[in-house]
Amino acid sequence: AQSVTQPDIHITVSEGASLELRCNYSYGATPYLFWYVQSPGQGLQLLLKYFSGDTLVQGIKGFEAEFKRSQSSFNLRKPSVHWSDAAEYFCAVGPLNQAGTALIFGKGTTLSVSS
Amino acid sequence: DGGITQSPKYLFRKEGQNVTLSCEQNLNHDAMYWYRQDPGQGLRLIYYSQIVNDFQKGDIAEGYSVSREKKESFPLTVTSAQKNPTAFYLCASTPQGPGGYTFGSGTRLTVV
Repeated sequence: AQSVTQPDIHITVSEGASLELRCNYSYGATPYLFWYVQSPGQGLQLLLKYFSGDTLVQGIKGFEAEFKRSQSSFNLRKPSVHWSDAAEYFCAVGPLNQAGTALIFGKGTTLSVSS
Repeated sequence: DGGITQSPKYLFRKEGQNVTLSCEQNLNHDAMYWYRQDPGQGLRLIYYSQIVNDFQKGDIAEGYSVSREKKESFPLTVTSAQKNPTAFYLCASTPQGPGGYTFGSGTRLTVV
């Protein structure tokens, strides 16, 4: 079955500390991977995406993610968290060569930032 | 600026009523999607449409209906058959070819 797992429901990080949000996927086809961020009551904003090439991808707001095919993972990282990063984060996967096919989303990780 | 507009932002429905959520995009995207979001459940796919006059059921289509008469518009009707409609509804679109979704800002539907 195709699925995305975000093992951590809620994470709290001190401001200025590093962050890693985990994402594991199960997908039969070559995956196209995404991280989105959602502020309360808002839509989702794309942070970054991976579909080929360098397995370390850079995104907006200082985020990066690393694709590890052997581990079926696509973890999101940030070296120094800011209070404004507090939000919900979603990992998603879709088929690389089937444009328009719906993405599968994980259940999300809520990030809290403490001062 | 191009984007997706969802309206209304808040919607209240009485038991037994049908309500329609609007989703309009001016991005010239071919594919459009409706997701339902409940706390702790992530996003669950209701319906999607890859081209005009064609759409497919997602994982939780029961109690919902859609139409795609224009490329720009993909309205979602929540019917009285949907027994637990209170949720946050998100519309998204994507072009044909590799690319992530662009999301609207959502509609929060509450049954009163």
